[in-house]
Amino acid sequence: GAGVSQSPSNKVTEKGKDVELRCDPISGHTALYWYRQSLGQGLEFLIYFQGNSAPDKSGLPSDRFSAERTGGSVSTLTIQRTQQEDSAVYLCASSPDSNHEKLFFGSGTQLSVL
Amino acid sequence: GENVEQHPSTLSVQEGDSAVIKCTYSDSASNYFPWYKQELGKRPQLIIDIRSNVGEKKDQRIAVTLNKTAKHFSLHITETQPEDSAVYFCAASGYSGGSNYKLTFGKGTLLTVNP
Repeated sequence: GAGVSQSPSNKVTEKGKDVELRCDPISGHTALYWYRQSLGQGLEFLIYFQGNSAPDKSGLPSDRFSAERTGGSVSTLTIQRTQQEDSAVYLCASSPDSNHEKLFFGSGTQLSVL
Repeated sequence: GENVEQHPSTLSVQEGDSAVIKCTYSDSASNYFPWYKQELGKRPQLIIDIRSNVGEKKDQRIAVTLNKTAKHFSLHITETQPEDSAVYFCAASGYSGGSNYKLTFGKGTLLTVNP
């Protein structure tokens, strides 16, 4: 595709349920990022994948959050036992290199936990 | 780790006026400073970036300045237009003590350009 694709665009779930968010990066981009955007809180780093290296998970807020990237392409972010404070827009971005430059963002998944 | 502070959080200007958004960073090892623009309901997009070996960079109506000594950098938009209305994010990236480095964003500035 032409850009970073995320699905679903909107997700409403009940507290305690698990959710999976998907990201399709731009073909050939080796770096993939997940960010969380809450109102007034800017872009909060969650996790970073670069090629076959071990991911940088330092931004994951709790052990309920996990992410994987299969085959160096598609990534899924999983939130287990969702809480209301998990409600936010989850943005995925990809980049053609390892220098954290020129990130291309997806449109995000708006997660609402009721 | 890196800490990026961004001011102001909101900025309202009249069309044609200039707008300035300022950011400070904490890690002196940071060497790359991009700015992203996010229009309402859309994804963030890179509009301009600067490296630590350059003090200023300009692209048409937008410019970014960097003061490494003071660890701050600014976005300048001249002759503002209504389509400049958006949230602007600054960010900083660079190695720190040999550990992994990442792009750290400021909290954003909501710019409103009034016709």
